[in-house]
Amino acid sequence: AQSVTQLDSQVPVFEEAPVELRCNYSSSVSVYLFWYVQYPNQGLQLLLKYLSGSTLVKGINGFEAEFNKSQTSFHLRKPSVHISDTAEYFCAVSGRPGAQKLVFGQGTRLTINP
Amino acid sequence: NAGVTQTPKFRVLKTGQSMTLLCAQDMNHEYMYWYRQDPGMGLRLIHYSVGEGTTAKGEVPDGYNVSRLKKQNFLLGLESAAPSQTSVYFCASRTGQINYGYTFGSGTRLTVV
Repeated sequence: AQSVTQLDSQVPVFEEAPVELRCNYSSSVSVYLFWYVQYPNQGLQLLLKYLSGSTLVKGINGFEAEFNKSQTSFHLRKPSVHISDTAEYFCAVSGRPGAQKLVFGQGTRLTINP
Repeated sequence: NAGVTQTPKFRVLKTGQSMTLLCAQDMNHEYMYWYRQDPGMGLRLIHYSVGEGTTAKGEVPDGYNVSRLKKQNFLLGLESAAPSQTSVYFCASRTGQINYGYTFGSGTRLTVV
């Protein structure tokens, strides 16, 4: 079975500062990894995903994440955040192949201060 | 292309009342899911379906029932609502390949008083 731990429940940063949201997973099999974003009062939308190949994946809105197999991590980063990045971010994992569902982390609330 | 549509968007129930939440997807997805989201607890899976006519329990199924009579619809029922079921409910769907991830609806905010 897979599990996901998002190490920070809340992350406050100033506008234009860099940010890293941390995600660690556990799994006995190869995994697919995902980051979702939830803007206030909206559903979740896919930000980026790692399936295979290059360990650095780029997503929408200038976000990127790096898959580190040895550290079982998939941290999300952005070099310069904007007020509009204020949202909750969820890391998710699935085993492959044949996995039936994603396992989500608890979420990290990113607050951007002017 | 509407994606995943949830109805209603908001609802207030009295304890003991029943209701059904509807999730409809127009992407011909095989898999559908119902989650609840509560502060500090992330997303918790209630029930899911791997195809028309199938359902399976998730992490927190008690107090809920589901049906998937048509491929495009996944219904979540509360037979006798309790205040503990006050939450935001999200439906999601996906194709047969999990590497595409999920498509989520915009949520239903349910308050049980």
